[in-house]
Amino acid sequence: GIQVEQSPPDLILQEGANSTLRCNFSDSVNNLQWFHQNPWGQLINLFYIPSGTKQNGRLSATTVATERYSLLYISSSQTTDSGVYFCAVKGDRISGNTPLVFGKGTRLSVIA
Amino acid sequence: DGGITQSPKYLFRKEGQNVTLSCEQNLNHDAMYWYRQDPGQGLRLIYYSQIVNDFQKGDIAEGYSVSREKKESFPLTVTSAQKNPTAFYLCASSYGGAGGDNEQFFGPGTRLTVL
Repeated sequence: GIQVEQSPPDLILQEGANSTLRCNFSDSVNNLQWFHQNPWGQLINLFYIPSGTKQNGRLSATTVATERYSLLYISSSQTTDSGVYFCAVKGDRISGNTPLVFGKGTRLSVIA
Repeated sequence: DGGITQSPKYLFRKEGQNVTLSCEQNLNHDAMYWYRQDPGQGLRLIYYSQIVNDFQKGDIAEGYSVSREKKESFPLTVTSAQKNPTAFYLCASSYGGAGGDNEQFFGPGTRLTVL
């Protein structure tokens, strides 16, 4: 099945710093999502981005489907950005509404 | 207010008991999913259902069972056969149909602890 690798596994930032999180996947995809898991465990949808670039406030994401990677950019980080960021993908050779495959996540800690 | 609800938020179980976790959605989504998350780990798929009265095993289905009698509901039963059931359980749903928007959304989760 499709493999998803995220890097770095852990990241510590000073408040106000910028960061880039990476997601590599092993096959072509028709669905890629970025999630933020907050300290209470809730998974928050950040981006649905199988290709192209999207921005939402201080966050933006880019997926280069032909090169099988996606990047999540966090600018001017805040302590509330702390948590785990997951990338999840669904391969386009899988028909129908089959489940996402998750990476192991990047644990981000933003220090005031 | 549309969304996915899970209950209970916290659940304690004695060894040897079966417990059922509830998941309900009012998003009119066709597909529903159950994931398990262990501390410091990613999400692993237990079961999923693409349509009412049909479901498929995920990567770690042993010791779990599900039913899908209604579109809105997808309960998960953790049986006594599950050797290490203490974990965080997350339910998700997405719109179905080939070529449709398959963005997946998650409920708030249930923390199960076996005493």
